[in-house]
Amino acid sequence: EAGVAQSPRYKIIEKRQSVAFWCNPISGHATLYWYQQILGQGPKLLIQFQNNGVVDDSQLPKDRFSAERLKGVDSTLKIQPAKLEDSAVYLCASSLGGGRETQYFGPGTRLLVL
Amino acid sequence: AQRVTQPEKLLSVFKGAPVELKCNYSYSGSPELFWYVQYSRQRLQLLLRHISRESIKGFTADLNKGETSFHLKKPFAQEEDSAMYYCAPTGSASKIIFGSGTRLSIRP
Repeated sequence: EAGVAQSPRYKIIEKRQSVAFWCNPISGHATLYWYQQILGQGPKLLIQFQNNGVVDDSQLPKDRFSAERLKGVDSTLKIQPAKLEDSAVYLCASSLGGGRETQYFGPGTRLLVL
Repeated sequence: AQRVTQPEKLLSVFKGAPVELKCNYSYSGSPELFWYVQYSRQRLQLLLRHISRESIKGFTADLNKGETSFHLKKPFAQEEDSAMYYCAPTGSASKIIFGSGTRLSIRP
């Protein structure tokens, strides 16, 4: 079974630039999550999709972050414009059903904002 | 407010010694409880979940509803257990919160 795929693996940008991350979940998984993990902290949920609908985006900074999951499969997370404090690892995960099920994580994208 | 606390940022024990990683949570309702682990240079992955009651790699976790704790235990630590461990309660409406993590270091 192929795992969750993410790209790019690393990204360095300057503040005020924009950046986009891509995630391909495990085939058949209805739920997709984006997390932000700042160094020394646990993952923080940014947004959760069930199929192509948003379940929870309460912690997504909507003035600069956006995410979409077209056709209920792949997803993209965008930051525009980036700030220094956005430097973090961005994790994508998927689960077969809802949030009370086991999540399978991708390798993450490490973002450095200079 | 829903909250999960892992009080130890770093736990260092000798090989063969018992291990206990603490997790306390504050949640409305009855959350589903998970422990996730991240080994060096690997992805975050499930270690165990309460509902399945499985013992994975010798680890177990007991839910104490009175103390709202879900501590992770292993009777005899092995060097390959060195990793970062995260407690993650998942509550109603699928609200998911990860703890800040405990780095477990096993000394030979």
